[in-house]
Amino acid sequence: DSGVTQTPKHLITATGQRVTLRCSPRSGDLSVYWYQQSLDQGLQFLIQYYNGEERAKGNILERFSAQQFPDLHSELNLSSLELGDSALYFCASSVVSRTGWLGEQFFGPGTRLTVL
Amino acid sequence: KNEVEQSPQNLTAQEGEFITINCSYSVGISALHWLQQHPGGGIVSLFMLSSGKKKHGRLIATINIQEKHSSLHITASHPRDSAVYICAVKASSNYKLTFGKGTLLTVNP
Repeated sequence: DSGVTQTPKHLITATGQRVTLRCSPRSGDLSVYWYQQSLDQGLQFLIQYYNGEERAKGNILERFSAQQFPDLHSELNLSSLELGDSALYFCASSVVSRTGWLGEQFFGPGTRLTVL
Repeated sequence: KNEVEQSPQNLTAQEGEFITINCSYSVGISALHWLQQHPGGGIVSLFMLSSGKKKHGRLIATINIQEKHSSLHITASHPRDSAVYICAVKASSNYKLTFGKGTLLTVNP
């Protein structure tokens, strides 16, 4: 058990819909990362938050957005869903030092999203 | 060309064999991660390294910064080592991780 929790475990929805994925980082970790893993693309970095602020952006679509709340949990919102958005979505957390050094990342169990 | 290349893509071994998985990258990095993903989908971080060598049980990871290359070795492999092994690098210039496509390892009893 990594200490990172994600809900829900599975999500089945229809095209055009909007969903919210939730992540709680390990106790004490200020940095949260979101990743997408699809069969054809492999693992891709979406976005990183540090202590409530967006720090880095990867291949995140405009239909997707995320935020990190004061209690450090994070939510990834996916809207206008398409069939191609079906994937495993992972959240990870890590320690980040004041100098910006990134510690080891601990991954949550993932949310499997199926868009029908 | 991908920033992170892993080889081989697939690897089948007999229990007890010594395994090597390779990772090459093309950018300057501040850290390299080795991850393990089991068939159930969960991802476990095995190593994070920026120089030299690290060992944890039967697993050894090495990195050569000048050659932009890392290897993951498994000694005395076991069927429970069967998983996808993924190399990921954190570029010096940004905060994101870039992943290799993974190596599917199958260890037969």
